[in-house]
Amino acid sequence: QKEVEQDPGPLSVPEGAIVSLNCTYSNSAFQYFMWYRQYSRKGPELLMYTYSSGNKEDGRFTAQVDKSSKYISLFIRDSQPSDSATYLCAMSRGGSYIPTFGRGTSLIVHP
Amino acid sequence: GAVVSQHPSRVICKSGTSVKIECRSLDFQATTMFWYRQFPKQSLMLMATSNEGSKATYEQGVEKDKFLINHASLTLSTLTVTSAHPEDSSFYICSARDPDRGNTIYFGEGSWLTVV
Repeated sequence: QKEVEQDPGPLSVPEGAIVSLNCTYSNSAFQYFMWYRQYSRKGPELLMYTYSSGNKEDGRFTAQVDKSSKYISLFIRDSQPSDSATYLCAMSRGGSYIPTFGRGTSLIVHP
Repeated sequence: GAVVSQHPSRVICKSGTSVKIECRSLDFQATTMFWYRQFPKQSLMLMATSNEGSKATYEQGVEKDKFLINHASLTLSTLTVTSAHPEDSSFYICSARDPDRGNTIYFGEGSWLTVV
């Protein structure tokens, strides 16, 4: 079993839909949780960064962490075609900062 | 926000030659930088962790003599692919940890290497 599991998709939604992207993990030592967006042939761009459990909102994006279930989510409201990209979850331990990445979910938002 | 710059963005080299990729943190001092390799439609594969002023820590299966990493300053790390072969063709991405922003990790734009 991989430390971080993420469905590769693709996930196809119509413009304006609410998108839910998820990752599960097995290592209870993870404390820091991140979501990155990667457009084709580009480096990943940090979207959200959270510590421990709870919710964090930034514009159309909301990140949720449920450490009891070892489950994290990224919600995108009012999705746009420009949101079409691969979304990578990442997480790291408190004392070590090498992040472990999911394989990424490909999101397609069609007009 | 923090910016990590990678250069060159694309490079083509002949088989047997060496190529250097630079990674710079533009507005923060990065004590730790990471080098990744990514194949099409695959996740990031960590190659090595680079700490300023010390030797890089390579992941299992990564040849340290082939992928030379130097982190001579707090804002610059370099990856040199030595004696490149076509199978080394890939997307190489660096990232840097910002200790002043909660150890957030920022990525460079990536470098496409094609070995012909």
